[in-house]
Amino acid sequence: GENVEQHPSTLSVQEGDSAVIKCTYSDSASNYFPWYKQELGKRPQLIIDIRSNVGEKKDQRIAVTLNKTAKHFSLHITETQPEDSAVYFCAAPTSGGGADGLTFGKGTHLIIQP
Amino acid sequence: ETGVTQSPTHLIKTRGQQVTLRCSSQSGHNTVSWYQQALGQGPQFIFQYYREEENGRGNFPPRFSGLQFPNYSSELNVNALELDDSALYLCASSLGRQGVSGQYFGPGTRLTVT
Repeated sequence: GENVEQHPSTLSVQEGDSAVIKCTYSDSASNYFPWYKQELGKRPQLIIDIRSNVGEKKDQRIAVTLNKTAKHFSLHITETQPEDSAVYFCAAPTSGGGADGLTFGKGTHLIIQP
Repeated sequence: ETGVTQSPTHLIKTRGQQVTLRCSSQSGHNTVSWYQQALGQGPQFIFQYYREEENGRGNFPPRFSGLQFPNYSSELNVNALELDDSALYLCASSLGRQGVSGQYFGPGTRLTVT
């Protein structure tokens, strides 16, 4: 099965600066990589995802990059704001390219300092 | 468009008892996945249902079982509850056989086993 490693576990940045969270995966057949944001006491919210036929995807201040050769993908948040404070999870398909659930990283607690 | 809903919100059970959790998928979605999220951890995949059949299972024992109904709502049943089963149980719905794309989570059921 898939193994997803995520780092750092905690990231503190000044408001307005950029934040980068990195993940690696083990199964070269994996073809879909979502990112979720979870605020305290709330459900995980899908914020962006990328498929393996694309190297980068942007949505306003959020971008995800994928390096299939190295089997790693990253979340980039620019111009950080207080509402970006949350736990962020990366994920990959549990069975590589198969049709079932997601394997999640352990999460990154992003803290935006005013 | 109706979002993913779950019931109950909170539940307290005694070790050895059985519990049933319920999930209504987002309108238009035909796939439901269940996850267990322990405190401070990422969600762990339990199993997925597509068109009323199990479509993949994570590393959980057989006492975790499920159902999906013709309207695509789903149940998670856990028998012989153990203290370690205390967690937030999340369901996520998505569209299509590939299942892993665009999973949207419900608010979760907080289960406490005493």
